[in-house]
Amino acid sequence: DAKTTQPNSMESNEEEPVHLPCNHSTISGTDYIHWYRQLPSQGPEYVIHGLTSNVNNRMASLAIAEDRKSSTLILHRATLRDAAVYYCIPTFQATPLVFGKGTRLSVIA
Amino acid sequence: KAGVTQTPRYLIKTRGQQVTLSCSPISGHRSVSWYQQTPGQGLQFLFEYFSETQRNKGNFPGRFSGRQFSNSRSEMNVSTLELGDSALYLCASSSPGLAGQETQYFGPGTRLLVL
Repeated sequence: DAKTTQPNSMESNEEEPVHLPCNHSTISGTDYIHWYRQLPSQGPEYVIHGLTSNVNNRMASLAIAEDRKSSTLILHRATLRDAAVYYCIPTFQATPLVFGKGTRLSVIA
Repeated sequence: KAGVTQTPRYLIKTRGQQVTLSCSPISGHRSVSWYQQTPGQGLQFLFEYFSETQRNKGNFPGRFSGRQFSNSRSEMNVSTLELGDSALYLCASSSPGLAGQETQYFGPGTRLLVL
C-alpha cells in the first residue's frame, strides 16, 4: 500500500475554497486515488476518486499531479457541514481501505 | 436506497464477556467489511465477507470473528472482551465495480465500551 502524508489539521473560513493536499510518492501505476471523509460521530463517506486526470463531482474536485505523487482535494466553498477528517487513500483494491491519520478540517463561520 | 445500518448503536460490556454486532448492507451489495476505529490506532480493517465467505482478513486476534448470511447481512463477534476492544466498529458494503474504482459505503458504527 502506498504511504500517504497529509497535514494533521487545516482551517478554513466558511464560503472560501479549501485545498487539502496529500503526498503519495510510492503510489503504484494502477492505484486510484480515493478520498473519504468522516464527519463527527459518523462513519466515513466517499468523496471522490481519480486515476490521472482531474475529476469533479458535486461534492469536490480532485487535482492529480502529473507524476501522480501528490493530489489535492478541492472544496470550492467550504460550509460548516464540511468540517470533518479527510482521508486520502491510494488503492487498486476495494478492500481493505487503508486509512492514515487524515487531515482534520475546521470551518470557521 | 436505504444506507448501511448497524445495530446496536451503543453497547456496554464488561471484560470477559462476548458481544455480537450486526450489519445490514445496502440492498444488492454482496461485500461487507468491518473496521475498528480507536483514538490510538485509527481505522483498522478487520475482515471482509463476500457471498458468505471470508475474502480478506486484517491483523486481529482470533477473538474477532464474523460471518455473512445468504441475504448479505453480516455479524461480527468478539469473545473474551478486553478493555482495549473499546472502539467504534464500522461496517461497510460495496458492490462489484471496475477494478480500483469500487466505493465503500459505511454505516454509522456501533460504539462498544468495555468496562
